[in-house]
Amino acid sequence: EDKVVQSPLSLVVHEGDTVTLNCSYEVTNFRSLLWYKQEKKAPTFLFMLTSSGIEKKSGRLSSILDKKELSSILNITATQTGDSAIYLCACASGNTGKLIFGQGTTLQVKP
Amino acid sequence: DAGVTQSPTHLIKTRGQHVTLRCSPISGHKSVSWYQQVLGQGPQFIFQYYEKEERGRGNFPDRFSARQFPNYSSELNVNALLLGDSALYLCASSWAMGGEGTDTQYFGPGTRLTVL
Repeated sequence: EDKVVQSPLSLVVHEGDTVTLNCSYEVTNFRSLLWYKQEKKAPTFLFMLTSSGIEKKSGRLSSILDKKELSSILNITATQTGDSAIYLCACASGNTGKLIFGQGTTLQVKP
Repeated sequence: DAGVTQSPTHLIKTRGQHVTLRCSPISGHKSVSWYQQVLGQGPQFIFQYYEKEERGRGNFPDRFSARQFPNYSSELNVNALLLGDSALYLCASSWAMGGEGTDTQYFGPGTRLTVL
């Protein structure tokens, strides 16, 4: 059965800290890995990763995929209170648009 | 440009009733997927529709059904509601079915369904 596991499940840091969120997967016919940020309701898209070892960056956020280790990390540097959210990792597989999500990491950034 | 829109925002139903949720994708997107998210968990895939045909179905009972209209909007129907159907129902759109760099799905704000 396809599985996506995120760690840690929750994390509390202070503004200015750097955090690393982890995502590991066991997915048949893996195609891509996506990261989303969910603050209230709608998950908002952050990154899509398809190639191993190529870092994607957007401002203070960056992510990289390791297909050998079947994992990905999401880094957030110089955290701000606005980074407080649930971060979701998902994998696309097979020949449909089905995304398989992990359970999410809840990040709380304290002032 | 408008993002994915969903209606209603909130809904309260009683056990045994039926519910219809609606979704309009981003303009130009032809694929709509539905997900169920219960508190504390990641979204679970229910259906994908592309070009008005069902292209994928998750592990949900037959009480769940959906369809896509010629304008690419979609409805999710749930019959004989159970307490366990209480969840946030998310709709996501993408311009293609998936694959070859088209896996990115954009989510709507969701419909919060409460079954009493």
